[in-house]
Amino acid sequence: DTGVSQDPRHKITKRGQNVTFRCDPISEHNRLYWYRQTLGQGPEFLTYFQNEAQLEKSRLLSDRFSAERPKGSFSTLEIQRTEQGDSAMYLCASRLGVAGGPETQYFGPGTRLLVL
Amino acid sequence: GESVGLHLPTLSVQEGDNSIINCAYSNSASDYFIWYKQESGKGPQFIIDIRSNMDKRQGQRVTVLLNKTVKHLSLQIAATQPGDSAVYFCAENVRSGNTGKLIFGQGTTLQVKP
Repeated sequence: DTGVSQDPRHKITKRGQNVTFRCDPISEHNRLYWYRQTLGQGPEFLTYFQNEAQLEKSRLLSDRFSAERPKGSFSTLEIQRTEQGDSAMYLCASRLGVAGGPETQYFGPGTRLLVL
Repeated sequence: GESVGLHLPTLSVQEGDNSIINCAYSNSASDYFIWYKQESGKGPQFIIDIRSNMDKRQGQRVTVLLNKTVKHLSLQIAATQPGDSAVYFCAENVRSGNTGKLIFGQGTTLQVKP
């Protein structure tokens, strides 16, 4: 257990439905990342928060995706009008972002999404 | 056992042997590298990391080697155990905008035979 938790662990939904995932990072970590991983591939970066500010979004993040980190603690990732191509593992990672400090990102267990 | 070339999807080794997993990274501007272990159905688990101002770093039973000249990274696991069976990913942090986002390689599956 890395200290990063994600909920739910598994989600099955029908195409066209909206889904929301939650990530609780390690408490003192100010940086939070979302990645997506499809079967047999490495994780791909989606978006990054420093405290409550969303500072970078990948081109993978279409306008159906939105992420928030309202109080600089937990984060949510919402997918609207899900498509079968959204089926993947959604991973959250956090790290402490201080100058000269450790750069290790710690990952949560992921949320596996299946869109039928 | 040793994986050769840029990437070998699967590496099979005998329990007790040493394993070497190789990774080629893409960006000469990357300044931080990290190895993760991922078991089926779980998130990536940190193993060891190295900054670009180093060429070797050792942990418990693991060693990471960095060759910046040829943009190559390797993970050595000593006395491989059945519990080491997993997919291993290398990742790089490209120092651009200071986001710290990681770029992952394809991964190598390590199979440990008893």
